[in-house]
Amino acid sequence: NAGVTQTPKFRILKIGQSMTLQCTQDMNHNYMYWYRQDPGMGLKLIYYSVGAGITDKGEVPNGYNVSRSTTEDFPLRLELAAPSQTSVYFCASSSGQGVGYTFGSGTRLTVV
Amino acid sequence: AQSVAQPEDQVNVAEGNPLTVKCTYSVSGNPYLFWYVQYPNRGLQFLLKYITGDNLVKGSYGFEAEFNKSQTSFHLKKPSALVSDSALYFCAPFYNQGGKLIFGQGTELSVKP
Repeated sequence: NAGVTQTPKFRILKIGQSMTLQCTQDMNHNYMYWYRQDPGMGLKLIYYSVGAGITDKGEVPNGYNVSRSTTEDFPLRLELAAPSQTSVYFCASSSGQGVGYTFGSGTRLTVV
Repeated sequence: AQSVAQPEDQVNVAEGNPLTVKCTYSVSGNPYLFWYVQYPNRGLQFLLKYITGDNLVKGSYGFEAEFNKSQTSFHLKKPSALVSDSALYFCAPFYNQGGKLIFGQGTELSVKP
């Protein structure tokens, strides 16, 4: 039972480059989320989705884009990477509102 | 406004002693309340949650949490700490208005032998 799988685990980007962080879940969860974690700042919500074809902005969406073409996949796109996007990114999913989230193991991104 | 506060950045406890990690939340409806734990270089793991009912909730690894509505608090507790409990702990209320978990900034728990 894989749960939530994130790839890659680590990545170094140069300023201005772009990349996609992959997230897939095999639990048939409708709800999916992208968070970033910065030291001492907790987790900040970037984007979330309540089902295939539906996405919405969280607290810190600038510089990111998402899509949700299938229930399983929720990729996060970074365009024109900036040093401020250096962070650890977590994808999570849940089966409904008020239900605990299942988290992936994270992607550590460094922008230099 | 919906918010959560973990007033201590770090908690230090000797092994075998009881531990408490504090959490307070803003009053906006009746949120569900969650605790998550993060071990180094890992994702967050669910510990326990409160929805309704008994104010003392038991969770994984011997942890429990006490809901106090009058103080709007949901403190995490364990009667006897283990070195292996050392990790980052997050309190996270879920508010129906908004439909998402809101995470505190986290409390680093350090248990020394």
